[in-house]
Amino acid sequence: DGGITQSPKYLFRKEGQNVTLSCEQNLNHDAMYWYRQDPGQGLRLIYYSQIVNDFQKGDIAEGYSVSREKKESFPLTVTSAQKNPTAFYLCASSRGQGWTEAFFGQGTRLTVV
Amino acid sequence: GIQVEQSPPDLILQEGANSTLRCNFSDSVNNLQWFHQNPWGQLINLFYIPSGTKQNGRLSATTVATERYSLLYISSSQTTDSGVYFCAVPDNYGQNFVFGPGTRLSVLP
Repeated sequence: DGGITQSPKYLFRKEGQNVTLSCEQNLNHDAMYWYRQDPGQGLRLIYYSQIVNDFQKGDIAEGYSVSREKKESFPLTVTSAQKNPTAFYLCASSRGQGWTEAFFGQGTRLTVV
Repeated sequence: GIQVEQSPPDLILQEGANSTLRCNFSDSVNNLQWFHQNPWGQLINLFYIPSGTKQNGRLSATTVATERYSLLYISSSQTTDSGVYFCAVPDNYGQNFVFGPGTRLSVLP
């Protein structure tokens, strides 16, 4: 089936540790995105990538890092510098830039313990 | 940058009732999407509707791009319609998507 796969679904992290969230798509989409959602809130953009080996900071990039070595993959690392990492993280992809339809993965719920 | 507003913020309905959700945006757009976030958090695509009207079963959407708003209609609501409904538009540079704050819908049995 074509789609976007995020893993793991739930993730627990100790304070001070880095953790990487996986996002893979087999839709042959060029663009990929990471959003953060806090309880009862909307979605805020962390990073996005329009092509391989290129990515841009979104509104809340501090404390996060990404890579785009393959078209299908856009992993997000939550670093120890992120002061409040507990949140729901959503990955999306679209065929091109913002005027094409976006599709989302099922999300990863990260909890810092 | 472009601003997106949604109303109402919360809506409680009895099963079988109809509802209209609104999305206003501050600048002209060439793309608009409606999503439903289910209780497990996943965003489900409802409509990709830059302009005009589309229907899918009990749901329909209308976007009037010249007046900078879109409406989502839910008819004969069911408890499974509960969740949060988001609209999203491209940012001013067409590089990513800007989301509204959402409308939280609760459909009671």
